[in-house]
Amino acid sequence: QKEVEQDPGPLSVPEGAIVSLNCTYSNSAFQYFMWYRQYSRKGPELLMYTYSSGNKEDGRFTAQVDKSSKYISLFIRDSQPSDSATYLCAMSSDAGNMLTFGGGTRLMVKP
Amino acid sequence: EAGVVQSPRYKIIEKKQPVAFWCNPISGHNTLYWYRQNLGQGPELLIRYENEEAVDDSQLPKDRFSAERLKGVDSTLKIQPAELGDSAVYLCASSLIGGGANEQFFGPGTRLTVL
Repeated sequence: QKEVEQDPGPLSVPEGAIVSLNCTYSNSAFQYFMWYRQYSRKGPELLMYTYSSGNKEDGRFTAQVDKSSKYISLFIRDSQPSDSATYLCAMSSDAGNMLTFGGGTRLMVKP
Repeated sequence: EAGVVQSPRYKIIEKKQPVAFWCNPISGHNTLYWYRQNLGQGPELLIRYENEEAVDDSQLPKDRFSAERLKGVDSTLKIQPAELGDSAVYLCASSLIGGGANEQFFGPGTRLTVL
């Protein structure tokens, strides 16, 4: 079993929908949680960075971490076709030096 | 500000041939990472450099892979000889470690196809 599990999708939603992306993990030492967005044939880019449990909001994006359940989520409000990409969760026990990635969820937002 | 630069972007070789990838990190970043990303999967770390020193290379298949970071700036990752299973995207990332959160910035990757 992998340390970080993520549903590969694809997840197809209409424009304007609320999107929920999730990851589960098994390593209780993880303290730093990140979401990366990766467009086709591009490198990942950091979207959200959260330390420990709680919520963090940035524009249309909200990241949630529940360490007791070893479960993290990314919510996208008012989804746009430009949000179509693969979303990767990543975790670390050391401020992000050593990242363990999930397999990524492919999201398609249809106009 | 220029991002992480990688070359070549694409490479097709036959098995048993050697191949090399080059990475130029963001100016001033002291830490450089090489990842391998297989199709439909997340990146997996191969090696991490802090300045010139390889501080984590536990996932690097040392029988065929080698890497160097001369003068603590550019880096080269080499595979010799390549095998069919090496087909993947090789990503380079860089960051500035100095306490607190450490954001890694990724390059566009080199897509390797081994025939």
